[in-house]
Amino acid sequence: EVQLLESGGGLVQPGGSLRLSCTASGFTFSTYAMSWVRQAPGKGLEWVSSIKRNSGSTHYSDSVKGRFTISRDDSKNTLFLQIHSLGVGDTALYYCTRAAGLIDPFDHWGQGTLVTVSS
Amino acid sequence: QSALTQPASVSGSPGQSITISCTGTSSDIGGYNYVSWYQQRPGKAPKLMIHDVGTRPSGVSNRFSASKSGNTASLTISGLQAEDEADYYCSSFTSSSTLVFGAGTQVAVL
Repeated sequence: EVQLLESGGGLVQPGGSLRLSCTASGFTFSTYAMSWVRQAPGKGLEWVSSIKRNSGSTHYSDSVKGRFTISRDDSKNTLFLQIHSLGVGDTALYYCTRAAGLIDPFDHWGQGTLVTVSS
Repeated sequence: QSALTQPASVSGSPGQSITISCTGTSSDIGGYNYVSWYQQRPGKAPKLMIHDVGTRPSGVSNRFSASKSGNTASLTISGLQAEDEADYYCSSFTSSSTLVFGAGTQVAVL
């Protein structure tokens, strides 16, 4: 069974940093593209970032480019999202997702980890 | 990248059919057949319902169908059931090698 388990969320002050993790199981992690999608409270889905398999190319939304860094450790079946210069607009539930490739749909989602930016 | 345009809400009675539209541009929906639809029930993670414009993953009811014409994609739910109440989001690959979602449509079963 495919499982994606996010962690690392929490309450952080504006301007702070955080590192989110997503531990995968039930499939060959290294052969899939992985992404982060976030959802602000009561709002819609927003794609954040994707990384191709085998630590290939990375892609970011304009709203996070330069502040967020996506990476993966295939030896540990783990996806990361390093977040810097957090603002209140970054408050959201951050989902880890799996896709066959960059153009492919997200066929599995984690349950999300909540990031709250507040002073 | 602006969000794809979806109606805020759509409703129907049990057994009826409803259609949700998703409008983008030639740089996303109009330029690629990489349109997906996701269902999200309250408090739950989204679930893939349709991919590549009109393909249903295994296990998704055939009451769900989708298509695309020009810059607009559409999701149709036939034989509406109470369990179909949820938010529905479209998404598309873009010419910038990014992904864009629609703002979401709340489906209500009257």
